[in-house]
Amino acid sequence: SSEMTQPPSVSVSPGQTARITCSGDALSKQYVYWYQQKPGQAPVSVIYEDTKRPSGIPERFSGSSSGTTVTLTISGVQAEDEADYYCQSPDRSGTWVFGGGTKLTVL
Amino acid sequence: QVQLVQSGSDLKKPGASVKVSCKASGYNFTTYALNWVRQAPGQGLEWMGWISTHTGNPRYAQGFTGRFVVSLDTSVSTTYLQINNLRPEDTAVYYCVVTTDVSVYWGQGTLITVSS
Repeated sequence: SSEMTQPPSVSVSPGQTARITCSGDALSKQYVYWYQQKPGQAPVSVIYEDTKRPSGIPERFSGSSSGTTVTLTISGVQAEDEADYYCQSPDRSGTWVFGGGTKLTVL
Repeated sequence: QVQLVQSGSDLKKPGASVKVSCKASGYNFTTYALNWVRQAPGQGLEWMGWISTHTGNPRYAQGFTGRFVVSLDTSVSTTYLQINNLRPEDTAVYYCVVTTDVSVYWGQGTLITVSS
């Protein structure tokens, strides 16, 4: 199955922009989904189908893609955004593949 | 609104079986497939497989065949994950997940601890 690679950690100061990337060969052909997970909680969808934001998710969360790399951008990071973030995409056979996760630290 | 409500945490001995339930509400149950995802302590997310709520046919990821059984009861809008012959390495939080047209929804998770 395809693999998806994320940086293990990203650190930003409050108010700055955080960019979390996810790379994989299948990403140019399949939708990507992003999840936020805070300690002890279930993941929450923050971006679906590459760029769409679910109801209730702040506008500072956005998704973009370029070739085989997709990016979750959090503009004007707030302390409450500190969490683990996972990308996910189905591969060609319909199997879900998750990235390894990125820990976002707000300094 | 869409909700997935899972059964509570459980402690099992090695070799036992456990059945986790996930009750869906807020949408037409047979419209979307339901997925199961595992998260071992301190680890990332791992897709286990899914079940078609239309046909009842499950599909399992590599590594989740044999001891893992996904089923559903459409009359109560519920999917089940049964794990047989539990091993200590099955200790994890198990999530049910549904992808709809407007978002992806997760159950609250069920912690299964396997210990003698």
